[in-house]
Amino acid sequence: DVVMTQTPLSLSVTPGQPASISCKSSQSLLHSDGKTYLYWYLQKPGQSPHLLIYATSSRFSGVPDRFSGSGSGTDFTLKISRVEAEDVGVYYCMQGLYLPWTFGQGTRVEIK
Amino acid sequence: QVQLQQSGPGLVKPSQTLSLTCAISGDSVSSNSAAWNWIRQSPSRGLEWLGRTYYRSKWYNDYAVSVKSRITINSDTSKNQFSLQLNSVTPEDTALYFCARRYCSGGSCYELDYWGQGTLVTVSS
Repeated sequence: DVVMTQTPLSLSVTPGQPASISCKSSQSLLHSDGKTYLYWYLQKPGQSPHLLIYATSSRFSGVPDRFSGSGSGTDFTLKISRVEAEDVGVYYCMQGLYLPWTFGQGTRVEIK
Repeated sequence: QVQLQQSGPGLVKPSQTLSLTCAISGDSVSSNSAAWNWIRQSPSRGLEWLGRTYYRSKWYNDYAVSVKSRITINSDTSKNQFSLQLNSVTPEDTALYFCARRYCSGGSCYELDYWGQGTLVTVSS
């Protein structure tokens, strides 16, 4: 199975400051169709995860533009340009190229 | 708006079968653009994808190797829902179970774009 490794595992951020989460995969997630199948999810406390970013860098419907995804091959980053209180929760990356889909361990973001 | 409503028991005895159902509204279980997934979450294993079912002129299933010998995912078109059965459960199967949709349109695929509310299943005698 593809191993997804996230860093850091926790992050404490002052509101209005940026945050960045790294995700590395054990295999390249680049498909022959040119797309890279890396996804980002946020699980707020007591809720199911919800999709933020698909195909490495495309924001899902309704996701604020302070969230951005980047990367290629095996190295990926999720950035929040200005963290807000509602952004607290656990962020997960997931690869969707090789079955079984696999997730990172999660990065817990809290507000200072 | 797509909604996934999960149902099923929260307590299952060891060696018995875990059964959960995910009722779909706002989409069709037999859509040619969707796939219907089960994922679970536990402190020890994190988020773990278990399998999916989808319809492309016929029904297909994919399962994680870790549960392949014990898992069945079925669809019920008359009720527009899909189900998870996990046989011979042990306490290690104790987890929060989710159903979720994969949707492809216009050359893009939105993996796990809608999720059910989650069902905590405890395996204990």
